[in-house]
This record gives sequence, structure tokens and C-alpha cells, in this order.
Amino acid sequence: DVKVTQSSRYLVKRTGEKVFLECVQDMDHENMFWYRQDPGLGLRLIYFSYDVKMKEKGDIPEGYSVSREKKERFSLILESASTNQTSMYLCAVGGVGETQYFGPGTRLLVL
Amino acid sequence: GESVGLHLPTLSVQEGDNSIINCAYSNSASDYFIWYKQESGKGPQFIIDIRSNMDKRQGQRVTVLLNKTVKHLSLQIAATQPGDSAVYFCAENQNSGYSTLTFGKGTMLLVSP
Repeated sequence: DVKVTQSSRYLVKRTGEKVFLECVQDMDHENMFWYRQDPGLGLRLIYFSYDVKMKEKGDIPEGYSVSREKKERFSLILESASTNQTSMYLCAVGGVGETQYFGPGTRLLVL
Repeated sequence: GESVGLHLPTLSVQEGDNSIINCAYSNSASDYFIWYKQESGKGPQFIIDIRSNMDKRQGQRVTVLLNKTVKHLSLQIAATQPGDSAVYFCAENQNSGYSTLTFGKGTMLLVSP
């Protein structure tokens, strides 16, 4: 089974803080993804990476950046957290043309 | 906690019934489809997938049907159990070069004992 872990299950941060969310996979998949999930809006893609040091913007990249220095690790960075970034953040991994496997999610609250 | 199920269509069934959850997809060029199950407070869990060269695929207690003519996907769960209660959503690979998926909003399945 693919194992995808996320650094935190719950986070509470203040407006303006820099926030790091980390995702680690154990299956050597090329692609890694960051989504946010909000009621009524479903899953929305923030960024994805198809290789080390490579990144592509998803549908809603504004206010976020990412880092992939090692194949197994993909980080999502909120440079200056805002209240509208309160959400459930989900990391996923998958090979090309294959399914995506999700981590348990990080519920972030920005006050 | 906050629920991903807010504003979702809901299907309520009795334990032991068969459940059918439907999904309309958007792109006729999509070549791969997946059903996920998401329990409250957890990440989505892969259930079953199907490629566009197939009409039907069966797993353990689940069957996925694909109708490409009307761009429709369904998930059938046999002998539904209370543990099946969750949000179910479909995803399609729009064959855009990268393995990105487009997700449906989901349907909440409630199973009563």
C-alpha cells in the first residue's frame, strides 16, 4: 500500500505567519499534488510537481508556493497566512496515468 | 468538526440495501476515472478505477459502470453497511499530459442500521 504522510493533522496559525505543510511518500511516485478542500467547492488543485525541483501551478496557486528538493517530499508554503486560507489541505501522490493516493489531510485554521 | 459534506446531495439507504451513486463527468476526452470514499476528518481513499476502454469493472462489493455516450459514471455498492457511510466522489483524468485529476463535488451516503 502507498503511504502518504502529512506533517500535522491540525494547525492553528495567526494572520501573517509563514506556514509550512509537509508531505512525504514512500512509493517513489513521480507526481505529487497539493489540494485544498472546502465545503461546497470540492477539491481544488493548488500546485503539483512531476519531478524533483519541478513545479506547476494548479487552479488556485495565489498565496502559496511549493518546494520539492527530494523525490519523496513535497512542501506547501503559505508565505503570509490569511483567514481565507483556513481549509483542509490534502497531499496526494501518483504516477502518470495512475490513481492518486491521498494523505490524511491537515486542517488549518488561520486566526 | 467541519464537514466536507455540507451542500452535498445525500443518499440515505438501509443497511443491506444496494446503493447507486452517480457522477456526470465533463470531458469526452477523459480516459481514466476513479471513485473515492472520504470519511469525516480523513483523506480520500481510493475505491475503484476504470479506463475508458471498459464499460464495467467489479471489485469487492463495488461495481463501477461507465457510459461514455452520455458521460456518466456510477458506483454500485452491494449490501451496504453502516461503515460505508461517507462522502463519495468521482474523478476524471482529462488526458492533459500530466496526471492531474478533476474531481466531482461528491455525494454523501448515509446508511441506517
